[in-house]
Amino acid sequence: GAGVSQSPRYKVAKRGQDVALRCDPISGHVSLFWYQQALGQGPEFLTYFQNEAQLDKSGLPSDRFFAERPEGSVSTLKIQRTQQEDSAVYLCASSFGSGITRGYTFGSGTRLTVV
Amino acid sequence: KNQVEQSPQSLIILEGKNCTLQCNYTVSPFSNLRWYKQDTGRGPVSLTIMTFSENTKSNGRYTATLDADTKQSSLHITASQLSDSASYICVVSGVKTSYDKVIFGPGTSLSVIP
Repeated sequence: GAGVSQSPRYKVAKRGQDVALRCDPISGHVSLFWYQQALGQGPEFLTYFQNEAQLDKSGLPSDRFFAERPEGSVSTLKIQRTQQEDSAVYLCASSFGSGITRGYTFGSGTRLTVV
Repeated sequence: KNQVEQSPQSLIILEGKNCTLQCNYTVSPFSNLRWYKQDTGRGPVSLTIMTFSENTKSNGRYTATLDADTKQSSLHITASQLSDSASYICVVSGVKTSYDKVIFGPGTSLSVIP
């Protein structure tokens, strides 16, 4: 597609519910990042994929967070047993390579509200 | 700890006026620095990107500067427009293994009023 597509745009979950957030990166983009953005804050790194390999998951806040990219294109961020502190915008970004001057293209994000 | 700080936290200016946003970072080693514009409810969009050897880069009414010695960057907006109202995020990349680790600043919220 022309850009990074994320779905759903908005998600309201009851505390304890599992959610799955989807990211469709730009076709052919090797790198894919997930970020968590709290209200009024900058995005915080969650995890990074190079093709289907998850090279860095150091930013995932707990073992309730799980991300996958099984075929090296679409990625899913899953949050199990959601808590109120998980409420945030979850941004996905992709880039063509991993060189130092690559640019990132962000999706519009999924706003998750846990009630 | 690698950090990116931005100031001011928020700013209100009149349409047509200029403004300058600041970014200080402690990321090391340094790869590149980007300024992003994030409209409400949207993902960040890249305005400029600078590597270690670049001091200034312009994109229309946006001009970014970089002083790698003092680890400071600024984003200057000329002749502001109402559509410039957004959050401006400074992003610094430090090289780690085969990919960049990207550190986001907290952003400066800019409001341009008529």
